[in-house]
Amino acid sequence: KNEVEQSPQNLTAQEGEFITINCSYSVGISALHWLQQHPGGGIVSLFMLSSGKKKHGRLIATINIQEKHSSLHITASHPRDSAVYICAVPLGGAQKLVFGQGTRLTINP
Amino acid sequence: GAVVSQHPSWVICKSGTSVKIECRSLDFQATTMFWYRQFPKQSLMLMATSNEGSKATYEQGVEKDKFLINHASLTLSTLTVTSAHPEDSSFYICSAPLWAGGNQPQHFGDGTRLSIL
Repeated sequence: KNEVEQSPQNLTAQEGEFITINCSYSVGISALHWLQQHPGGGIVSLFMLSSGKKKHGRLIATINIQEKHSSLHITASHPRDSAVYICAVPLGGAQKLVFGQGTRLTINP
Repeated sequence: GAVVSQHPSWVICKSGTSVKIECRSLDFQATTMFWYRQFPKQSLMLMATSNEGSKATYEQGVEKDKFLINHASLTLSTLTVTSAHPEDSSFYICSAPLWAGGNQPQHFGDGTRLSIL
C-alpha cells in the first residue's frame, strides 16, 4: 500500500463546477503539500499545511491530522485549472517528499 | 518569488551517451536539492538528495555510479546520467526548499524530458 493515496485518479468536469480532490496518508506527518503539475511537466507548489485550512484565490486546502486526510477544493473551476494535482508528505520528518499518484483534472468549457 | 531553473528542458540522444542536467537556484541559496524521476502516468519518485559540499544521499535502488550528482556551489546541482540506455528515458525534475530544516514549500525546476534512442 502506498503511503499516500489520492482519489479520484481522473476527474472530468464542466467549467464552473466545484472540484474536490482527496488525499489520505498512512504515516505521521508534520505537513502536507499540494502541488500542481502542468501538461508540460512543470510543478508548482500550491499549499503546504499542517492544520486547518488554507485559501489562495479559488483554491482551498484542508487537512485533518487525526484522520490523516486532506482535501483540495477548486471553486468556480476553469479550463486553465486542467492539470495533475499531487499531494505529498515529508518522509521521516525530513524535507524529502513522498508523492501520491496524482489526480488528472480536466475542466471542459 | 523563489525560482529554480532547470536545463535542458529536453534531450534526445543515443544509447551510451552521458547526459548532464543542471538545476540552479536563481535568487536563493540551496544547500539541499532533491532529484526526482517520473515515468509516464506514474508519480514522482525521489532519486537522491543533493547536499552542497558533501556526497549525495541516494534512495534505495538508485545506482549512484549511474546517476552522478554534484552540488559544488550553493546555487547549482547537477545530475549526470552516465552511459544512458533506453530504460533511463524519463522525466527528471529537481526541487529545493528555501532553507534547510523544517517544513518548507518546495520550489521545482521545469523538468528535463530525457529520451534515449
